Amino acid sequence: QSALTQPPSASGSPGQSVTISCTGTSSDVGNYNYVSWYQQHPGKAPKVMIYDVNKRPSGIPDRFSGSKSGNTASLTVTGLQAEDEADYYCCSYGGRDNYLFGTGTKVTVL
Amino acid sequence: EVQLVESGGGLVQSGGSLRLSCAASGFSFSRYKMIWVRQAPGKGLEWVSFIDSSGKRIFYADSVRGRFTISRDNAKNSLYLQMNSLRAEDTAVYHCAREDDDNGGFHFDNWGQGTLVTVSS
Repeated sequence: QSALTQPPSASGSPGQSVTISCTGTSSDVGNYNYVSWYQQHPGKAPKVMIYDVNKRPSGIPDRFSGSKSGNTASLTVTGLQAEDEADYYCCSYGGRDNYLFGTGTKVTVL
Repeated sequence: EVQLVESGGGLVQSGGSLRLSCAASGFSFSRYKMIWVRQAPGKGLEWVSFIDSSGKRIFYADSVRGRFTISRDNAKNSLYLQMNSLRAEDTAVYHCAREDDDNGGFHFDNWGQGTLVTVSS
């Protein structure tokens, strides 16, 4: 049960785009379309931004999108805004009702 | 409004025990699967345990299996985590979260703010 691999940091200027990768294995990310992404501001609870690889919960702006290719999932944020500065975690179902989170990526809006 | 409120955290010595609670309100608790997730200081999220809506299907992360026990009381709208044989590496904020079964599950749409567990060695 190793954590999924994410880059430690990503950044972009307001209005630009940033893409965060999340690499797992053929047993988790590559085997299930159950990848979700969570945004966490300091001291706050995580908030789901994307689920089932590319679905957005109601209320999440369409600036957030998700995709997957093989064992790697990605979260893209377009039109970066100051409030997007946060930590982002991917999560994949790993079978037998267990889940793996990513190592986390700190997104900085320059 | 869905609310999840954790309690029971605190300072405990290595080898000790704690029981965390998660009080749910604003939804039909008995219909939803639940999980515990922890976050060590300055670190990332780690899935700890899963329990289905009936309490019959339960799974644990390797790091806590045999030491932690998840349970629920649907009559009291409450989720629990009994933590025994605590180690320094169990120090973390523990969050409970609801699986979004209304949208197919396999992701978590509501989270508590968490309760801090500190294990001193």
